[in-house]
Amino acid sequence: DAGVTQSPTHLIKTRGQQVTLRCSPISGHKSVSWYQQVLGQGPQFIFQYYEKEERGRGNFPDRFSARQFPNYSSELNVNALLLGDSALYLCASSLSTWVRGINTEAFFGQGTRLTVV
Amino acid sequence: AQKVTQAQTEISVVEKEDVTLDCVYETRDTTYYLFWYKQPPSGELVFLIRRNSFDEQNEISGRYSWNFQKSTSSFNFTITASQVVDSAVYFCALSEGGAQKLVFGQGTRLTINP
Repeated sequence: DAGVTQSPTHLIKTRGQQVTLRCSPISGHKSVSWYQQVLGQGPQFIFQYYEKEERGRGNFPDRFSARQFPNYSSELNVNALLLGDSALYLCASSLSTWVRGINTEAFFGQGTRLTVV
Repeated sequence: AQKVTQAQTEISVVEKEDVTLDCVYETRDTTYYLFWYKQPPSGELVFLIRRNSFDEQNEISGRYSWNFQKSTSSFNFTITASQVVDSAVYFCALSEGGAQKLVFGQGTRLTINP
């Protein structure tokens, strides 16, 4: 079975531009979350979507937005890019938010490395 | 507020040594989950273990073992007889209640030298 797939793997953008990152979850998984990992730090939560609805949002500016499609794939959009947006963007999928009272584990893709110049 | 602290930024040991990675967490919830993930150079976070706040039993999986102590808010990870393939960055993470949001520590870079 395919794992979580993200595209593109690498991306270079100029300050002020806009970028769209894509994520396909594991088949059967309905929850997708996005994380930003700046070099040398742990991942920071950006968004969670479940059944096409936003279920959680981290402390990120409105320049960051996301959506989930009927097939449960997801896009993360970042507008007006800043140098500080350079990071590894990770997508995680999970079966659900809860399954029989158990917080289900998240499975991560290999990420999209975004460089803003 | 949730917080995860991994005080060890980098650890370097010789192959076959045992090594313990420390994790201390803060949460106000009584129901929470703790996780360990491994991040090899490829970047993907590999799930290792999930532990809920009501289960303080230690767990062993092959050369890996985890020690969960609520009294000290710690969830430490030990690798026995380390191997070069264990070299990676290891993250401890916390999730509260019904949320899927993971709060990660800063990570510990583990280097196993042959």
